Amino acid sequence: SQQGEEDPQALSIQEGENATMNCSYKTSINNLQWYRQNSGRGLVHLILIRSNEREKHSGRLRVTLDTSKKSSSLLITASRAADTASYFCATDAGTGNQFYFGTGTSLTVIP
Amino acid sequence: DTAVSQTPKYLVTQMGNDKSIKCEQNLGHDTMYWYKQDSKKFLKIMFSYNNKELIINETVPNRFSPKSPDKAHLNLHINSLELGDSAVYFCASSPSTTPYEQYFGPGTRLTVT
Repeated sequence: SQQGEEDPQALSIQEGENATMNCSYKTSINNLQWYRQNSGRGLVHLILIRSNEREKHSGRLRVTLDTSKKSSSLLITASRAADTASYFCATDAGTGNQFYFGTGTSLTVIP
Repeated sequence: DTAVSQTPKYLVTQMGNDKSIKCEQNLGHDTMYWYKQDSKKFLKIMFSYNNKELIINETVPNRFSPKSPDKAHLNLHINSLELGDSAVYFCASSPSTTPYEQYFGPGTRLTVT
């Protein structure tokens, strides 16, 4: 399928630690995006990385993209309890404006 | 507030009924989407409209029919509801040019009994 697949499915860490979650996909992409979903809420866009980029930063977020391995990772540094949420990657499967999501990584940050 | 809004937030109904979910965005975006999120949190795209024109129609039963009266609104009508339709439905919008960052509504939790 075209969807992104996040790994691990669930992650639990202590506040202050770094959290890394991964995304793998199957088809060529133009863009890959990461979103956050707090419990009972809609998704919020975090960061976009284009296929010709290898790394991107936004505040405490660092995203990498390896198109040869068809994978991306999201690193959240110095995690906070407020980072507790599900994180999804969305791939465009080369279409540009259609994005396919997976089941997300559920992150729990313990205060 | 600029946002994507959906109504209702919760919808409980019986099998066989017909229901609608409304979505409105005031972000000036040209593209709107409907997604279905199941109990395992898998988020699946159902439809996409660009300037009131259907762009994407994924493999969705024809009991689901989107309607876009104008580019700020995209409603979802569901006929003959089934138990398997129970899910959270999200509306989203994005600009029609890259980078296509999507803005999601708060979701509508549909429970079919």
